[in-house]
Amino acid sequence: AQSVTQLDSQVPVFEEAPVELRCNYSSSVSVYLFWYVQYPNQGLQLLLKYLSGSTLVKGINGFEAEFNKSQTSFHLRKPSVHISDTAEYFCAVTPRGGSYIPTFGRGTSLIVHP
Amino acid sequence: DVKVTQSSRYLVKRTGEKVFLECVQDMDHENMFWYRQDPGLGLRLIYFSYDVKMKEKGDIPEGYSVSREKKERFSLILESASTNQTSMYLCASSPETGYNYGYTFGSGTRLTVV
Repeated sequence: AQSVTQLDSQVPVFEEAPVELRCNYSSSVSVYLFWYVQYPNQGLQLLLKYLSGSTLVKGINGFEAEFNKSQTSFHLRKPSVHISDTAEYFCAVTPRGGSYIPTFGRGTSLIVHP
Repeated sequence: DVKVTQSSRYLVKRTGEKVFLECVQDMDHENMFWYRQDPGLGLRLIYFSYDVKMKEKGDIPEGYSVSREKKERFSLILESASTNQTSMYLCASSPETGYNYGYTFGSGTRLTVV
């Protein structure tokens, strides 16, 4: 079984500042890792994913994430945020093999202030 | 673009009513999922389906059933709605090897049971 912990439920930040949203996971098997974004009153959309290879993954809207196997983490970063980045962000892991059903974290609300 | 369409954005139903939530995807995906999303709890899997007429229970199936008579359509049924089923419901789909693509979500149905 897998579990995902998003360490911050809410992250307030000023526009143009850098941001990091933290995600830790535990799993008895290897996993694939994902970040999703949910804008107000919308469904989730895929930001980026880590399947294999380079541990630094770039996604849409200037976001990137780094997979750290030893620390079982997959933190999401952006060097300079915009007001439009205000949204809920979800980290998810999917086991390699088996059902491929993802386990989601509880979400981090990113609030960007002008 | 892959589209997952949920028929209603907002629904208000009375306690005890039978409620149908409809989801249609247009990309010939094998896998379809129903989640509910509640503040502080993230996404919880209700049911999923790998193929037509096939269904599997997720983490919280009690009080729900599903139907998949056609590949593109996956319906969630609340046999007798209760107030604790007030929530945001999200439908998602993925191809058979979904881990490579992540999941495509609909915009959600916000259900209120009064």
